[in-house]
Amino acid sequence: DIQMTQSPSTLSASVGDRVTITCRASQSISSWLAWYQQKPGKAPKVLIYKASSLERGVPSRFSGSGSGTEFSLTISSLQPDDFATYHCQQYISYPWTFGQGTKVEI
Amino acid sequence: VQLVESGGGLVKPGGSLRLSCAASGFTFTTYTMNWVRQAPGKGLEWVSSISSTSTYIYYAGSVKGRFTISRDNAKNSLYLQMNSLRGEDTAVYYCARDGTAIPSNWFDPWGQGTLVTVSS
Repeated sequence: DIQMTQSPSTLSASVGDRVTITCRASQSISSWLAWYQQKPGKAPKVLIYKASSLERGVPSRFSGSGSGTEFSLTISSLQPDDFATYHCQQYISYPWTFGQGTKVEI
Repeated sequence: VQLVESGGGLVKPGGSLRLSCAASGFTFTTYTMNWVRQAPGKGLEWVSSISSTSTYIYYAGSVKGRFTISRDNAKNSLYLQMNSLRGEDTAVYYCARDGTAIPSNWFDPWGQGTLVTVSS
């Protein structure tokens, strides 16, 4: 199975900050990576797919980059609605696997 | 687009439970569907996927042989039959659609989830 490791596990930031979350795969996954946002008690919502493609309706302050084994999700200017947990997911091969999550808190 | 799960609850170890997911607002018959779970306070874990015509079915190793995914395209419904349940199966179970009709293998949208608790 491909292991996905996110860092940091928790990130403290302020409104307006530029925030970057990293996701590393245990082997190359090309660009087959998605990012999700999850708020407490709610289902995840996709933000980015294929490493850098922004899902329709997602604010442009979110961006994704990377390929191979190293990926990042960047929020250019953190907004109050962005305080949440973020998950990465590889989908190059079964079983699809997720990172452990990164909680962005105030 | 809406996905609504049901069927969760409290079950004893070794017991069985059947989850359902009712889909609406899209052409259910053209999408791969998935189950993903999240144990309390933990990350997301993919459980199972089923292609649009049920030709292709995949399971996580942790549930293979105990869980069975199925779908009824006439009823726009997805199911997960869970047998021989264990404490580590305790989680919120989400039904999730593939992001695109061409199998995308990323998930959007997701249902609200249904809680399964395995405890004596």
